[in-house]
Amino acid sequence: GAGVSQTPSNKVTEKGKYVELRCDPISGHTALYWYRQSLGQGPEFLIYFQGTGAADDSGLPNDRFFAVRPEGSVSTLKIQRTERGDSAVYLCASSLSGQYNSPLHFGNGTRLTVT
Amino acid sequence: QQQVKQSPQSLIVQKGGISIINCAYENTAFDYFPWYQQFPGKGPALLIAIRPDVSEKKEGRFTISFNKSAKQFSLHIMDSQPGDSATYFCAASIREKLTFGTGTRLTIIP
Repeated sequence: GAGVSQTPSNKVTEKGKYVELRCDPISGHTALYWYRQSLGQGPEFLIYFQGTGAADDSGLPNDRFFAVRPEGSVSTLKIQRTERGDSAVYLCASSLSGQYNSPLHFGNGTRLTVT
Repeated sequence: QQQVKQSPQSLIVQKGGISIINCAYENTAFDYFPWYQQFPGKGPALLIAIRPDVSEKKEGRFTISFNKSAKQFSLHIMDSQPGDSATYFCAASIREKLTFGTGTRLTIIP
């Protein structure tokens, strides 16, 4: 079946602009995660949804970052007033249940470049 | 604070050899330790995982060894193949939140 889909695959924006990154999880997966991966680093946790609600948003770096999942399926990560330091690959993952041993299935990410 | 330390940063192994990647953690509350494999331009994919009450887990050519007292765990890839060339990440989780290591770029040479 289809895996986790992320769009766009690449996004170039100017400093100060607003961007939205979209994630379509695997059908039936209740848990959805956003991670950020900087060059040469491991993914860094941003936020976790269980259903429609953000169960843990402790990884969001500041209030310029916000994510929603209004119907418990598709999620959008929103970044306001982008900065050059926001440049990274933003990864979305979903899992069947959100239990600790429920495997995370990652998308291929959106590469964000802020110029 | 880097809670999961991974070494080496890069590794070159001859085809058929054993690849070994090591990780150490600090937080004893971690309760699940997966390894992920990532190819260029792709998202990480789960390879194998272990719980802290088990000292070793083997799946095919991949083995995790876990030392709870030392707070260390390692990935062993037996009979390494060119197709294993990728970046490997160890990780540790508390409930649903994964903390990843910095990655090891593995290259298998003929």
